Amino acid sequence: SAVISQKPSRDICQRGTSLTIQCQVDSQVTMMFWYRQQPGQSLTLIATANQGSEATYESGFVIDKFPISRPNLTFSTLTVSNMSPEDSSIYLCSAIARTGTYEQYFGPGTRLTVT
Amino acid sequence: KQEVTQIPAALSVPEGENLVLNCSFTDSAIYNLQWFRQDPGKGLTSLLLIQSSQREQTSGRLNASLDKSSGRSTLYIAASQPGDSATYLCAVRLSSGYSTLTFGKGTMLLVSP
Repeated sequence: SAVISQKPSRDICQRGTSLTIQCQVDSQVTMMFWYRQQPGQSLTLIATANQGSEATYESGFVIDKFPISRPNLTFSTLTVSNMSPEDSSIYLCSAIARTGTYEQYFGPGTRLTVT
Repeated sequence: KQEVTQIPAALSVPEGENLVLNCSFTDSAIYNLQWFRQDPGKGLTSLLLIQSSQREQTSGRLNASLDKSSGRSTLYIAASQPGDSATYLCAVRLSSGYSTLTFGKGTMLLVSP
């Protein structure tokens, strides 16, 4: 299994600012992902974080708004840029462990409120 | 495009009752299926993973079954407890490893003492 931690756990930010969320996994993983969960909704995949290269973004999400880094096999960051109240969501880091079963694990989430 | 549907959307039961949550998916060519639990405002906890070649998996009071040909999975919870109250999410992965999970919208379960 993989244990995933995220920082911060929650934040309240002002419109127009940026927030960087950190994700740390306790073991080497094959793939890391970032999801968004808006209030009362299911999860939406933002992007796949690729080690040492640009992230792969899903339709509707762009690098300028959600820059992602993954400098090594256990760490990734997601920045939410130029925030607006519509960005208020829970942001979840996720990873697939190197076990061959492709079981996917999730972090505890970062609850972001933009005022 | 894979679509995942979960029924019911919400369920309220008294403590001690056995219950079944349903998940259906439109594309039966899946690699695996996972059931997750999500407490309010929290992340997802993986409950059970069923590979496409398996029919069921069990963990404690939880049993998940998979009928790939009919595009269905069920999560059976035995002797429900108030601590089981949470949203349960079903998610499927289409191809070997590198496809993404497609999630259902979840079943919100409330178990009353």
